Amino acid sequence: QVLLQESGPGLVKPSQTLSLTCSVSGDSITTGGYYWNWIRQHPGKGLEWIGSIHDSGKTNYNPSLQTRLTISLDTSNNSFSLRLSSVAAADTAVYFCARNPAAPLWQYMDVWGKGTTVTVSS
Amino acid sequence: ELVLTQSPGTLSLSPGQGATLSCRASQSVSNNYLTWYQQKPGQAPRFLIYGASYRATGVPGRFSASGSGTDFTLNISRLEPEDSAVYYCQQYVTSSFTFGQGTKLEIK
Repeated sequence: QVLLQESGPGLVKPSQTLSLTCSVSGDSITTGGYYWNWIRQHPGKGLEWIGSIHDSGKTNYNPSLQTRLTISLDTSNNSFSLRLSSVAAADTAVYFCARNPAAPLWQYMDVWGKGTTVTVSS
Repeated sequence: ELVLTQSPGTLSLSPGQGATLSCRASQSVSNNYLTWYQQKPGQAPRFLIYGASYRATGVPGRFSASGSGTDFTLNISRLEPEDSAVYYCQQYVTSSFTFGQGTKLEIK
């Protein structure tokens, strides 16, 4: 059973960089055939896809966040990370990581982490 | 830019009744990439339906979905209190995912 667990600071100051890690257990992140995603949910709002990284290292980013966003793999720790620079209050959200099979026929997120709350405030 | 519009915003029904949730896309989309999720308060979304109509493993048969082109529907029959949640549709287009704004289902 594959499990995902988000971790990182719960409080980030405005203009700083938000860094989160998603630790994957139950399978190797480089097994092949998956994209690893970040999604966020503003307080009381819906879901917003942030971006993803394939186990080959190929990334896809939400155009609205692209200039501030970096997603990377850490194969030695079987995890992947999110870095979002120049944060503001509007980046306050619950951040989820999720897996999606990189199958040409289907696209969906079948395994999710529980989420971690990040507040941007001085 | 693809926009998914879900309706109604909130649906209040009684146990035993059936629910119909709608997801409308701003442009024609692939059935294969239309997914439904269920999210309960304080929890991560749960994967329900993929390919517009296929139930994920472990999803009860009371959940069914259909649609094509721009109009998709999630049906839940014989509602149970545990079905209270927000339901999101999601589409994948040009290497990006888009979510609808969600439908809140209340079972009273």
